[in-house]
Amino acid sequence: GAGVSQSPSNKVTEKGKDVELRCDPISGHTALYWYRQSLGQGLEFLIYFQGNSAPDKSGLPSDRFSAERTGGSVSTLTIQRTQQEDSAVYLCASSLGDVSNQPQHFGDGTRLSIL
Amino acid sequence: GQNIDQPTEMTATEGAIVQINCTYQTSGFNGLFWYQQHAGEAPTFLSYNVLDGLEEKGRFSSFLSRSKGYSYLLLKELQMKDSASYLCAAPREGQAGTALIFGKGTTLSVSS
Repeated sequence: GAGVSQSPSNKVTEKGKDVELRCDPISGHTALYWYRQSLGQGLEFLIYFQGNSAPDKSGLPSDRFSAERTGGSVSTLTIQRTQQEDSAVYLCASSLGDVSNQPQHFGDGTRLSIL
Repeated sequence: GQNIDQPTEMTATEGAIVQINCTYQTSGFNGLFWYQQHAGEAPTFLSYNVLDGLEEKGRFSSFLSRSKGYSYLLLKELQMKDSASYLCAAPREGQAGTALIFGKGTTLSVSS
C-alpha cells in the first residue's frame, strides 16, 4: 500500500498480558517513529529508528515497553505486563529520514484498551 | 526543555476565517509543523515553516516568527469538513529528522 499500515486496528486485553503492535512504514522511508495518544493529551514520543543507527528509546515510559525494527522496514512495539494506564492509541509514522522539512506520515493507529 | 502551547478549543462558522496560535520554547530550532487530525483518524501533514513569514497553501496559510517563538495557522473560507484537531509540532531538541514534540492540539468546531 501507499501509506503507513498498522495492525491490529483495535486491541482489547486483560491487565498483565503482553501485547505486540505492528507497523509497516512507507517503502523507502528510513525513519520510523512510535507515538502514543491518550485522551485529552498530545502525541507523546516513544521511540525513533533511523536507518541502521541505534534507536532513540528516550521516550519509552518504562522497561515494560520495547520495540524493534527488522530489516530496516517493519517494526513491532511490545508492551509487557500491560497496565490500565497503557490504554491509548499507538501511532506509527515514517519519513524519508533525517532531513528537516520531510513530514512524518502517520498510520491510523492501534487503539489499545486494557481491562 | 521544550514546550508547545496552543488553545484547547475554538469555534467558528462556515465561510469565516480562523487563526490558531501556537507558542513554543525549544533548546534549538529546526522548523515548525502543523498537522490536521480528524476524530479517529491519523494526523495528516499541513505545513512546515523554518523561515520567518507567511507560507500560503490554498485556503490554509502558516506563519512563523522565530524571534517570538510564535506560529499560527490561518484557515480561510471555512468548511464543515475543517472541523478537526490542529496540532503544532517541532523537532525534539531542534534536531532535524528526529521525533516531534506536539502541542495538545486545538479542536476546531465549524458550524453552519
